[in-house]
Amino acid sequence: AQSVAQPEDQVNVAEGNPLTVKCTYSVSGNPYLFWYVQYPNRGLQFLLKYITGDNLVKGSYGFEAEFNKSQTSFHLKKPSALVSDSALYFCAVRDTNFGNEKLTFGTGTRLTIIP
Amino acid sequence: AAGVIQSPRHLIKEKRETATLKCYPIPRHDTVYWYQQGPGQDPQFLISFYEKMQSDKGSIPDRFSAQQFSDYHSELNMSSLELGDSALYFCASSLGLADPYEQYFGPGTRLTVT
Repeated sequence: AQSVAQPEDQVNVAEGNPLTVKCTYSVSGNPYLFWYVQYPNRGLQFLLKYITGDNLVKGSYGFEAEFNKSQTSFHLKKPSALVSDSALYFCAVRDTNFGNEKLTFGTGTRLTIIP
Repeated sequence: AAGVIQSPRHLIKEKRETATLKCYPIPRHDTVYWYQQGPGQDPQFLISFYEKMQSDKGSIPDRFSAQQFSDYHSELNMSSLELGDSALYFCASSLGLADPYEQYFGPGTRLTVT
């Protein structure tokens, strides 16, 4: 079974500072990893994904994530936080086997950027 | 660019009633997924369809059923509604074999059962 852990329910960062939202995963084989963001009363917006290749993945709105196979982690990062980055962030994992494409989400991390 | 369309956006039902949620995937997308997000919770996978056939099944109650039609839109039918069914229901679509990685989510249908 696949699973994702987001150890922090809440992360507070001052505007302009770098931010990190943590995610660790567990899958039986090679993972497909994703980050989604959810604004209040809105759907899930795709930020970035890791499928294969470079461990550092760049995505939307200046976000990036680093895949670390030995630590089974896929932390989301941004060099300089904006107030508009305040939202709920979900890490998700998908099995690489065809026919099993469902996403398993972490419990989410609420990111608050303090002006 | 066209996105996933879900209707209705909001739905209020009473206990024991039925509800039908509709999902219109991005044009040319052949795979549809349904997720349920309870208050303050992460989205939980319910069921998925690829080329009109059920491809995977998650924690979907027996009171719920779903199908994908010839135009690739999907409907989630919910019967004997319970208070605990109150949640945000997301539909997502993907290109299936062509791009099996990224799921594009709709805005969700907020179901309230009273």
